[in-house]
Amino acid sequence: QSALTQPASVSGSPGQSITISCTGTISDVGGYSSVSWYQQHPAKAPKVMIYDVAIRPSGVSYRFSGSKSGNTASLTISDLQTDDEADYYCTSYTKNDTVVFGGGTKLTVL
Amino acid sequence: QLVQSGAEVKKPGASVRVSCRASGNTFTNHYITWVRQAPGHGPEWMGRISADNGDTKYAQKFQGRITMTTDTSKRASYMDVRSLISDDTAIYFCTTGLYSFDTWGQGTLVTVSS
Repeated sequence: QSALTQPASVSGSPGQSITISCTGTISDVGGYSSVSWYQQHPAKAPKVMIYDVAIRPSGVSYRFSGSKSGNTASLTISDLQTDDEADYYCTSYTKNDTVVFGGGTKLTVL
Repeated sequence: QLVQSGAEVKKPGASVRVSCRASGNTFTNHYITWVRQAPGHGPEWMGRISADNGDTKYAQKFQGRITMTTDTSKRASYMDVRSLISDDTAIYFCTTGLYSFDTWGQGTLVTVSS
């Protein structure tokens, strides 16, 4: 199972919005509504920010939102804040009853 | 909350067991998933085990080399990794969930070095 494709890096200024894409295939992202997004700060465990494509867990800021179109899922962060600077990973359930991670995107808040 | 065992240093060819103990309600009626993250790399899904019935699903890459078990009386899950190589050097996390992972352990660093 190949990793999902994410841009290696994105950047934005405080207050701006950014979007991170996550591209898979019909066998994973395109075939299921089980896409999640994780934020990981250095030396920390990942933290789920979005699950089931667009659901925000309790306690996660409204500034984080998720969507999906075809084989590509997206995470949008609005009103960027300095604490948003982190690595972001997407995951998807797959037809093989496994889960696959994206390669990760480093978000820099300028 | 999930609390994992401490760091390990192993020689190539050895085996390692990583443990993951749950507190509160974070065990029964849950799946325990194991994820590893090599230095400078993204996380990698290794497999999962049902805390209820012990059913497992492993990533094809690790088939035959890992075994996941649970001990409900201790509210613990274990993962054994055999025939370690240097590429197995990574932080190993346990987490709860089937498709999305909400509670995470602190991670266990396993270093494979001669």
